[in-house]
Amino acid sequence: DQQVKQNSPSLSVQEGRISILNCDYTNSMFDYFLWYKKYPAEGPTFLISISSIKDKNEDGRFTVFLNKSAKHLSLHIVPSQPGDSAVYFCAASGDGGSNYKLTFGKGTLLTVNP
Amino acid sequence: DAGVIQSPRHEVTEMGQEVTLRCKPISGHNSLFWYRQTMMRGLELLIYFNNNVPIDDSGMPEDRFSAKMPNASFSTLKIQPSEPRDSAVYFCASSTLGTELQGYTFGSGTRLTVV
Repeated sequence: DQQVKQNSPSLSVQEGRISILNCDYTNSMFDYFLWYKKYPAEGPTFLISISSIKDKNEDGRFTVFLNKSAKHLSLHIVPSQPGDSAVYFCAASGDGGSNYKLTFGKGTLLTVNP
Repeated sequence: DAGVIQSPRHEVTEMGQEVTLRCKPISGHNSLFWYRQTMMRGLELLIYFNNNVPIDDSGMPEDRFSAKMPNASFSTLKIQPSEPRDSAVYFCASSTLGTELQGYTFGSGTRLTVV
């Protein structure tokens, strides 16, 4: 039973355009949501996060939106750059007070074409 | 800061052999995690240590898996005996408890192949 779902295995975007990566979750107990980026042969690296009490968090080109009623979050990258090409994982924590435990989606491969 | 250091980067072993994966967390971090990544299940938490004490090992697949953290700067994940279905990438990560919004720092992983 997947509690965090990324339904698009891949996404291809032109350089300079917006990339929108989506994530759905089923557990209303989650308190924190995070996005990680992963390059081949490397570990995931933390990108941006949002607390469940907020609906938006912005950091440079990256913005995460949270819609609690829909149990949906998205990551916007504007403008997209070729160096953004990577696998993006959505993660959530806070289930039953277990803030340490991240539950990951299976990832979306983003390809930004020059 | 060298980040989280894992060794070896790659391990190929025969079924039935013992495998030991190693991790050095970031100095000052008091939480350590072992994750496993497979195509079928994605990234899943195996075990979590806080201040060198195992807090949650509910993700450890079976008794063949064991993990230790003898001190704040070292942890091992052992599989004995190994089986082909254990083939995966194993990640170690560390963080400071209470910094959930800052995420973990992951190592580069150990790619394990059991033949």
